[in-house]
Amino acid sequence: QVQLVQSGAEVKKPGASVKVSCKASGYTFTSYDINWVRQATGQGLEWMGWMNPNSGNTGYAQKFQGRVTMTRNTSISTAYMELSSLRSEDTAVYYCTRGTRVGDYWGQGTLVTVSS
Amino acid sequence: DIVMTQTPLSSPVTLGQPASISCRSSQSLVQSDGNTYLSWLQQRPGQPPRLLIHKISNRFSGVPDRFSGSGAGTDFTLKISRVEAEDVGVYYCMQATQFPRTFGQGTKVEIK
Repeated sequence: QVQLVQSGAEVKKPGASVKVSCKASGYTFTSYDINWVRQATGQGLEWMGWMNPNSGNTGYAQKFQGRVTMTRNTSISTAYMELSSLRSEDTAVYYCTRGTRVGDYWGQGTLVTVSS
Repeated sequence: DIVMTQTPLSSPVTLGQPASISCRSSQSLVQSDGNTYLSWLQQRPGQPPRLLIHKISNRFSGVPDRFSGSGAGTDFTLKISRVEAEDVGVYYCMQATQFPRTFGQGTKVEIK
């Protein structure tokens, strides 16, 4: 069965960077895009960007341009999302989700807390 | 960016009764390939979102048939024919026709 398993919760200080991983199983990793979506506590969903695991091509929401980097390691079927220059407003649960158009499978989420 | 507007934001429903959620986009979601990339997601408390419906009306694998989607262009609807206790949560519409992908604000479905 398709699974996306994310790395564990992180606590970071303002100005630091965080790198969240998303390990895929149950399908051919390079056949589907990976998108990243975040959700602040009690808030809605916010799309951050996408990555094609086959080519490595990426596209980011303008809001995160210059601060986010999406990469992958195809040998271990894992996608990564790194967010830099963290601020308190980046405190949220970060999700990876599969698909170019449709988030048909979602990771369990990774809570990133930014606090001094 | 395409703005997605959902109504209502809260929907108290009696068990066994129907529920309906509307989603309106600020511009047409019809893609040049003829498809309309409008999806509905369900998020139960403490859980990640789950895909219910894609391309307006296509139920995803394992989704009960009490969930149905309809609409066209800029106006879309999710209907639950008979609400069950497990349907409690927040429902989001999402467009994937254009970048950036955007979501509605969410509609909270709760039992009266």
